[in-house]
Amino acid sequence: SQQGEEDPQALSIQEGENATMNCSYKTSINNLQWYRQNSGRGLVHLILIRSNEREKHSGRLRVTLDTSKKSSSLLITASRAADTASYFCATAREGGSNYKLTFGKGTLLTVNP
Amino acid sequence: NAGVTQTPKFRVLKTGQSMTLLCAQDMNHEYMYWYRQDPGMGLRLIHYSVGEGTTAKGEVPDGYNVSRLKKQNFLLGLESAAPSQTSVYFCASTQSILFFFGQGTRLTVV
Repeated sequence: SQQGEEDPQALSIQEGENATMNCSYKTSINNLQWYRQNSGRGLVHLILIRSNEREKHSGRLRVTLDTSKKSSSLLITASRAADTASYFCATAREGGSNYKLTFGKGTLLTVNP
Repeated sequence: NAGVTQTPKFRVLKTGQSMTLLCAQDMNHEYMYWYRQDPGMGLRLIHYSVGEGTTAKGEVPDGYNVSRLKKQNFLLGLESAAPSQTSVYFCASTQSILFFFGQGTRLTVV
């Protein structure tokens, strides 16, 4: 079964707006990662947050993690048309191997010019 | 840098035919994975390998076999293809935490 579930399933915004995607998971984790997939391509790693971290930044990306609620959010600020893609969260279970990631179903983000 | 390379990129099979998908990585990674991606289902793990000569079942292994004879290669085999195996297949590799993905193989079974 899927460990992570992204919300919403699809999001459409205008260029320049911020985009927020959420991920909920079921069991305790070692870390949570976000990946991007452009149409017809493989997934590309964006950012990792460990279970003892609450917030991380990377360029226009901001990730938060709330382990008490078993949820994470990905914020993309000042979105661009090139940000159009599917975004997936992936979790490594606490006590398990970091080498086994479970992916959610993804959020399809469309940024309109 | 090649990274993770999958061949072929596209394939159409008839029901009952067999084929092998090849994944090659040039990063000397220990861990390799095969996922399938279906609409609305996200990525589901088929099989994985924690090192040369090892394989293990993932979430949806039925109908597939794998081999890791060389560290850099991970092969996914379909012995008797079924329409339910129509999907996009992704190979991934990692040495620590970050996963690197191939471009995918789009397989249609008719």
